[in-house]
Amino acid sequence: AQRVTQPEKLLSVFKGAPVELKCNYSYSGSPELFWYVQYSRQRLQLLLRHISRESIKGFTADLNKGETSFHLKKPFAQEEDSAMYYCALVSYNTDKLIFGTGTRLQVFP
Amino acid sequence: SQTIHQWPATLVQPVGSPLSLECTVEGTSNPNLYWYRQAAGRGLQLLFYSVGIGQISSEVPQNLSASRPQDRQFILSSKKLLLSDSGFYLCAWSSTRGTGELFFGEGSRLTVL
Repeated sequence: AQRVTQPEKLLSVFKGAPVELKCNYSYSGSPELFWYVQYSRQRLQLLLRHISRESIKGFTADLNKGETSFHLKKPFAQEEDSAMYYCALVSYNTDKLIFGTGTRLQVFP
Repeated sequence: SQTIHQWPATLVQPVGSPLSLECTVEGTSNPNLYWYRQAAGRGLQLLFYSVGIGQISSEVPQNLSASRPQDRQFILSSKKLLLSDSGFYLCAWSSTRGTGELFFGEGSRLTVL
């Protein structure tokens, strides 16, 4: 079965500290993985996708097929990074996104 | 540019009453449309998925139904609400190109008393 697991409900760090939001997936085949973010009072929106291999707002995520993980990382957290983060995968040849339970990131000054 | 509108933003309904949440998309044609429910600790659960008018895929058994009477209109309904239907409902659209990027509405918070 296709599944996305985010083990941490809440992650709290101080400004300038490194951040790693964990995501593990279960998928038979080659998955397409994404990170979505929801800032306070804003809509849920795409942060980054693994296929682009890009850095957005200082965040990166590497697909590790051996560990079936797609952890989101940032070397130096900023207060404006505080938000709800969702990891998601898309079913092959469809646009149906399967989301994890989300991790709330709190960055303290 | 494309926009997505969802209403009402908040709704308080008694148990057993009907429900209708509406979602419309502008600026694009033949979008894929989605209804998700967002619940604390349970993440985003896909409820319904539609690739075209009248084509609805139900992802989980539930008390709700969905309809797509027009290309860019998606409606979430219930004939009789249950307490367990309370939650935050999100409508979203994507292009049919399979990019995997969904564009979400602002959400509708439903409280069933």
